[in-house]
Amino acid sequence: NAGVTQTPKFQVLKTGQSMTLQCAQDMNHNSMYWYRQDPGMGLRLIYYSASEGTTDKGEVPNGYNVSRLNKREFSLRLESAAPSQTSVYFCASGELSTDTQYFGPGTRLTVL
Amino acid sequence: GENVEQHPSTLSVQEGDSAVIKCTYSDSASNYFPWYKQELGKGPQLIIDIRSNVGEKKDQRIAVTLNKTAKHFSLHITETQPEDSAVYFCAANDSGYSTLTFGKGTMLLVSP
Repeated sequence: NAGVTQTPKFQVLKTGQSMTLQCAQDMNHNSMYWYRQDPGMGLRLIYYSASEGTTDKGEVPNGYNVSRLNKREFSLRLESAAPSQTSVYFCASGELSTDTQYFGPGTRLTVL
Repeated sequence: GENVEQHPSTLSVQEGDSAVIKCTYSDSASNYFPWYKQELGKGPQLIIDIRSNVGEKKDQRIAVTLNKTAKHFSLHITETQPEDSAVYFCAANDSGYSTLTFGKGTMLLVSP
């Protein structure tokens, strides 16, 4: 099993450009999550999907949209990138019954 | 919502010493407390977790203790090795939601 996979690993954007970060899991988990990690700020939840067909805002949702494409895939979209969105983005998946989450390897995004 | 405080932010020890990282949480309804290890350039990896129905859990050189009354939990690493050097995050589940709130992390450096 690959666990949680994310693409791309690295990305550089110019201010105003758009892009979609992809995440997939092969553990048959119901819940999926998007976090951003900034120095000294820990992991902050952007959006999550408790089950297929549902999405909810986390702590820092502004400037982002998400799509739960199916049970395996959960994408994060930046419609108009801003320098403040320079960060490392992590996707995670887990089960509601245990609250345990498993993380992907991350996408390092730089917005110039 | 839940608030998780983690201390210290950095910790330097000599190989073979013990290391202790402490976290406090605010929501008395939280009942799941995982710890993650993040190596440079990688995603957080779950290393141990504890639920509120137990006070201590051990796995080889690592252990976690939980004090529900004081609302704090700690990670203990014994006989530290250079490969233990990483950033460690504690977290607590958000009651009523399928989400976790993370501490800001502790950078552990183990010197040979």
